[in-house]
Amino acid sequence: DTAVSQTPKYLVTQMGNDKSIKCEQNLGHDTMYWYKQDSKKFLKIMFSYNNKELIINETVPNRFSPKSPDKAHLNLHINSLELGDSAVYFCASSSPSGRAVYEQYFGPGTRLTVT
Amino acid sequence: GDSVTQMEGPVTLSEEAFLTINCTYTATGYPSLFWYVQYPGEGLQLLLKATKADDKGSNKGFEATYRKETTSFHLEKGSVQVSDSAVYFCALPLAGGFKTIFGAGTRLFVKA
Repeated sequence: DTAVSQTPKYLVTQMGNDKSIKCEQNLGHDTMYWYKQDSKKFLKIMFSYNNKELIINETVPNRFSPKSPDKAHLNLHINSLELGDSAVYFCASSSPSGRAVYEQYFGPGTRLTVT
Repeated sequence: GDSVTQMEGPVTLSEEAFLTINCTYTATGYPSLFWYVQYPGEGLQLLLKATKADDKGSNKGFEATYRKETTSFHLEKGSVQVSDSAVYFCALPLAGGFKTIFGAGTRLFVKA
């Protein structure tokens, strides 16, 4: 069973379009994240949600709107796509709690190409 | 502010060579530290971790020791294999775990 899954794996679209990426985790975790990885492999957090509530928003343009319908799902909707949005987007989940070691489990990634 | 600095790659080694990837951090308090590995075409996965000073994390022949005095968490492996070719990330969890800062990643190529 896949722990963290994302769909689609590849997404090719034109500038100005709107697209969504879906993420689901079956680990029972409370917290889910979206990351953006650029072509140089630099990984930056975009959002984190805990129990469906937004906790971290790292100054991401408001064209990006995450939505968490329940603890197991975190979707990412992107409006008016731009060339600079081309990247690999990773979903992850974990259960942070105080001093506990809270490793993150990552999905396989969605490669978004904007032409 | 909080940060993670990793040595730049790529690192190219021959099979059975010794590997060191340097990682230093800046943070308040004594956070946990992680190394993640990303194989081609895949997401990141945890390689090893340490939760307090002088802890040594180890997995698959890789080791890293949490050094508070030098604020470092260098990754080492005594004898690399071709299958170790991947990108390695040092990571620093913050904000109660709701935000993690990753180093820039170090790409490792191992030649047969």
